[in-house]
Amino acid sequence: NAGVTQTPKFRILKIGQSMTLQCTQDMNHNYMYWYRQDPGMGLKLIYYSVGAGITDKGEVPNGYNVSRSTTEDFPLRLELAAPSQTSVYFCASRQNPNYGYTFGSGTRLTVV
Amino acid sequence: DAKTTQPPSMDCAEGRAANLPCNHSTISGNEYVYWYRQIHSQGPQYIIHGLKNNETNEMASLIITEDRKSSTLILPHATLRDTAVYYCIVRVNAGNNRKLIWGLGTSLAVNP
Repeated sequence: NAGVTQTPKFRILKIGQSMTLQCTQDMNHNYMYWYRQDPGMGLKLIYYSVGAGITDKGEVPNGYNVSRSTTEDFPLRLELAAPSQTSVYFCASRQNPNYGYTFGSGTRLTVV
Repeated sequence: DAKTTQPPSMDCAEGRAANLPCNHSTISGNEYVYWYRQIHSQGPQYIIHGLKNNETNEMASLIITEDRKSSTLILPHATLRDTAVYYCIVRVNAGNNRKLIWGLGTSLAVNP
């Protein structure tokens, strides 16, 4: 099993550009999450999904969108990149709420 | 807002037990305590979780006080590879999802 795979690992965006952060998992987990982590801080939940076709907002959803058309994939979309979105983004999945998360290795995004 | 309090940093000698404390005085009766660690900006790694009883797995032991207001993560024989930021997290029940609120964690340095 590859676990949770995120691409790209690094990206530099200009203000106003858009991009999609990809996340895929091969563990058949229903629950998937997107977090951001600013330097020296804990993780903040952006969006989550409890299954294909179902998504919901987390603590900091503004400026982001998600979709969940399949169990495996949970892409995160930035439509108009802003410097405040400079962060490390982690995707995670778990089998159900009583299990621990499996995290991807992260995407380091810089908006200039 | 984080519902846990941890010391910002700790040191431990290699081969000795590392005992990482966490206060969660406002925890509710049905909220779990989770521990994760993050090594040098990698994705967080699940360690262990518990509700009332002490728990042990191949990585660590979790000791939860009887009143559940605090807990201790024990790494029985710390190695240099255990140097990481350790997060103590309370799972918050929120609608259909149970969300984790991440604090700033404890930066553990294991010294030779």
